[in-house]
Amino acid sequence: SYVLTQPPSVSVAPGKTANISCGGNHIGTKSVHWYQQKPGQAPVLVIYYDTDRPSGIPERFSGSNSGNTATLTISRVEAGDEADYSCQVWDTITDHWVFGGGTKLTVL
Amino acid sequence: EVQLVESGGGLIQPGESLRLSCAASGFIVRNNYMTWVRQAPGEGLEWVSILYAGGSTFYADSVKGRFTISRDNSKNTVYLQMNRLRVEDTAVYYCARGSKDYGEDWGQGTLVTVSS
Repeated sequence: SYVLTQPPSVSVAPGKTANISCGGNHIGTKSVHWYQQKPGQAPVLVIYYDTDRPSGIPERFSGSNSGNTATLTISRVEAGDEADYSCQVWDTITDHWVFGGGTKLTVL
Repeated sequence: EVQLVESGGGLIQPGESLRLSCAASGFIVRNNYMTWVRQAPGEGLEWVSILYAGGSTFYADSVKGRFTISRDNSKNTVYLQMNRLRVEDTAVYYCARGSKDYGEDWGQGTLVTVSS
């Protein structure tokens, strides 16, 4: 089955840029979606189809996908961005969703 | 406004059954892709099942043969029937609406605890 690999944690100072990676075999050929989840809350979609932002998500959130790595980039990080971020793809072979293990973003 | 409200969770013994409900408002369930995702305590998200607008269903290998996803169009509600529950099924179960690719709107979840 398809596997997505994320770093367990990323730390960044306020105002700086956070990059959260999501690795997978030829992930650049798939569409990647990203979710933000704060403690005790439901996931929130922040990026879909690699680069698209749902309404209400700040422009500071962006995504890219190429080769074997997809990346969620959060510019001008704020304290309120501290959360777990998970990547997800749809495996077209099995018609299953696959999630990465999640990355805890800490704002220093 | 889209709203999803899960219910039906609780404490249950291994081997028993439970049915979760996801009551939807603000959209028509039968015209959408509806998904269940779970999250064990302290763990990441795990996809469980999806129900296509056309009626097709798919399941994670870990629940296939034990769980069944369905919908009641008259109640605009999606269900997850869980049989032969195991300790490792303990998790918060989320209902989501979206496409076959991703979940756009999510409920707040319902906690299922399987323990003797």
